[in-house]
This record gives sequence, C-alpha cells and structure tokens, in this order.
Amino acid sequence: KNQVEQSPQSLIILEGKNCTLQCNYTVSPFSNLRWYKQDTGRGPVSLTIMTFSENTKSNGRYTATLDADTKQSSLHITASQLSDSASYICVVSVNGNNRLAFGKGNQVVVIP
Amino acid sequence: GAVVSQHPSWVICKSGTSVKIECRSLDFQATTMFWYRQFPKQSLMLMATSNEGSKATYEQGVEKDKFLINHASLTLSTLTVTSAHPEDSSFYICSARGGVAGAYNEQFFGPGTRLTVL
Repeated sequence: KNQVEQSPQSLIILEGKNCTLQCNYTVSPFSNLRWYKQDTGRGPVSLTIMTFSENTKSNGRYTATLDADTKQSSLHITASQLSDSASYICVVSVNGNNRLAFGKGNQVVVIP
Repeated sequence: GAVVSQHPSWVICKSGTSVKIECRSLDFQATTMFWYRQFPKQSLMLMATSNEGSKATYEQGVEKDKFLINHASLTLSTLTVTSAHPEDSSFYICSARGGVAGAYNEQFFGPGTRLTVL
C-alpha cells in the first residue's frame, strides 16, 4: 500500500477558479512534507516544504497546509492559470530525509 | 541556485544497446545523488542512491549490473542502462543533495530523460 495517497486523481478546472488538492500519508517517522509541480515530460519542481511544526506555507498562488496530527496536507491553487496544468506531487520524507515517499500526483487541467 | 541538469533530455535506442544518462549539479556540490524511474501516471520510484566516490546503493529489485551508476565527482553522476530492452523504456529522473540543502535537507530534481527502446 502506498504510504502517500492523493486525491482527486485528476480534475479539470476553469481558468481563474480555485482548487484544492489533498494528500494523506501514513509515513512515520515524519520529517517534512513537500509539494512539487511536474509538467509533462519534465522533472518535479519544488513548490513548498513544511516540517511537522509548520501548518501553512505559501508560494505565490500556491498555499500548502499541513495537519501532522491527522497526517493530512492540502495544496490550494488560487486564481488558476493555464500554465498551472500539471501533475502536483505530494512527497513525504522518511527517516530523517534519507528516503522520500511519493504520491502518484494530482493531475490538474486548467481550461480557458 | 540549486540547478540540476540531465543529458540527454530524450534518447531512442535499439534493443540490446547501452545508453548513458548524465546528471549534473550546476551550482552546488552534490554529495549524494539519486536516480528515479517514472512510468506514465505512476509515482517516481527510487532506483539507487549514490554518494560521491563510493558504490551506489540499489533498491530491491533493481539490477545493479544492468543499471550502472557512477558518481565520480561532486557535480556529476551517470546512469548507464546496459543491454536495453523495450521494458526499460521510461522517464529517468535524477536528484541531487548537497551543501545548499539547508534546514530541509532538500533534494533538487533534474528535468528528466525520456528513454525509448525500440
């Protein structure tokens, strides 16, 4: 069973609208949680990183939240743009960052 | 800062040939580099971890004689897929970790290499 589950698997949103992506994890011990944006055919690009003591972090129109008690995180995209079309991957570090557990990603398609 | 490059970005080869993929940290020294493989709509799967100057540590199920990894310097690691077969076709991504990792001990990912074996 994957240690990092993301939902929804995919979604289509209208340009300018907001959306929220969910990530649930069972990784323990937990060091930090990261959200990456991966364009098709490209490597992942870091959006946010949070330790267990941080419950929110923003990067422009991207805002990530973390509830370490319930082991849940979300990524909120505000005022979506066509360039936001990508896969958003939730990654949790395991055992003091020596290993990363990857979700399968949320595939977002923004349409005009 | 913290830029990682890969070369080539895509490669097509015949079955049975070998392919070398390079991963470079452009503006920092990478003490550790990681090689991942990603199939369509799947998670990144760690293949191996390499520390500069030492042998790579391979994940269970990854053949070390098929996927040769060399990390001879602090800025370069190479992955050679030997005797490639169509099932080796995939997206190969490297990441690097080093002095700029900071408090989060972050890995920085390369742009990936698309390998197609005919």
